[in-house]
Amino acid sequence: GESVGLHLPTLSVQEGDNSIINCAYSNSASDYFIWYKQESGKGPQFIIDIRSNMDKRQGQRVTVLLNKTVKHLSLQIAATQPGDSAVYFCARPLGGYNKLIFGAGTRLAVHP
Amino acid sequence: DTEVTQTPKHLVMGMTNKKSLKCEQHMGHRAMYWYKQKAKKPPELMFVYSYEKLSINESVPSRFSPECPNSSLLNLHLHALQPEDSALYLCASSQGLAQDTEAFFGQGTRLTVV
Repeated sequence: GESVGLHLPTLSVQEGDNSIINCAYSNSASDYFIWYKQESGKGPQFIIDIRSNMDKRQGQRVTVLLNKTVKHLSLQIAATQPGDSAVYFCARPLGGYNKLIFGAGTRLAVHP
Repeated sequence: DTEVTQTPKHLVMGMTNKKSLKCEQHMGHRAMYWYKQKAKKPPELMFVYSYEKLSINESVPSRFSPECPNSSLLNLHLHALQPEDSALYLCASSQGLAQDTEAFFGQGTRLTVV
């Protein structure tokens, strides 16, 4: 079936370290993936997306990697800062109505 | 303006009350969405509107009634809710329904049913 799942519910990192958040998917027809950041008391905020014809995409301090062979994607955050503390969701649209299916989420805690 | 504005931010209502959640965007987006998010869970889709017409209802109970009066506004009317309906209700919009169009989310309305 269609699902997007995460490996770890919580990730604690030291400020300045790199963070890696993982996500697995089960349907090989997936062609578009999105990472969202949700801070406490706020709605999800778009971070970066990637299409299935790409293996890697970089943004400002963030990189998303897509491994279609093992149906896995990851979000890498360089030089993690306290402001990066949030819950991170991978998501993909399903069907013809841009219906977003979210993974369970990973809470990123950044310690000084 | 890339904002989706939701009001109120917080709402407490009794099980016999009628209330409405409001959502507004001025980005010219023609698709609007309601999501429900329980604590420590991901958002789950409730409704999709496209060009002011209801396109998807994810088997949501009739005590939730969506309305799209125009292309900028989306309402969610609430009546006879249950305590388990307490959640964060998120509105989102996108330019269209194509799968690679970015969805912008509002800050949500935190609803508590007592």
